[in-house]
Amino acid sequence: KNEVEQSPQNLTAQEGEFITINCSYSVGISALHWLQQHPGGGIVSLFMLSSGKKKHGRLIATINIQEKHSSLHITASHPRDSAVYICAVRSGSNYQLIWGAGTKLIIKP
Amino acid sequence: NAGVTQTPKFQVLKTGQSMTLQCAQDMNHEYMSWYRQDPGMGLRLIHYSVGAGITDQGEVPNGYNVSRSTTEDFPLRLLSAAPSQTSVYFCASSFKQGEAFFGQGTRLTVV
Repeated sequence: KNEVEQSPQNLTAQEGEFITINCSYSVGISALHWLQQHPGGGIVSLFMLSSGKKKHGRLIATINIQEKHSSLHITASHPRDSAVYICAVRSGSNYQLIWGAGTKLIIKP
Repeated sequence: NAGVTQTPKFQVLKTGQSMTLQCAQDMNHEYMSWYRQDPGMGLRLIHYSVGAGITDQGEVPNGYNVSRSTTEDFPLRLLSAAPSQTSVYFCASSFKQGEAFFGQGTRLTVV
């Protein structure tokens, strides 16, 4: 079993829909990261959080430390949100990131 | 503020050739790492460093060498390129508990 599990693996939605991507982990962490990768593009950090909730524009990230679960929400989704969204957790004494497999999101106009 | 600068962006090598992927950061980050990304797979850690003079192996280190002589630079060397090393490579840096910053990626093809 992977230490970081994301769901769904693929998600297709219509423009304007509310999007939720989930991340569950099985290890102790110091922080959880959400990142975005556009097709053929680089990787950009969206959020780093260790508790509670963070919001940036139409993106909201939440984490429940007790349940070892995080969600990334996108409100009023737009085709430009189409990308792979990756969850990663920082764990252990060597500060490594443990990566989820990513969720491929497609927003249709 | 340049962030993480990774070069080259594209490279084609013949089997058996060697090359170095360059990575430099100007944020005084202690932690630097190299990943490879293959189709349908997540990022896999090749090597990492927690400070100048300190490096360690990640999940897939075979065929790659690294060194960290300065805080800023963390080059990745392919010793004798093989087709199995065809991949997209990313360099990343961060403070030990901080947000990760990534280079633009290097698309490497070994023929």
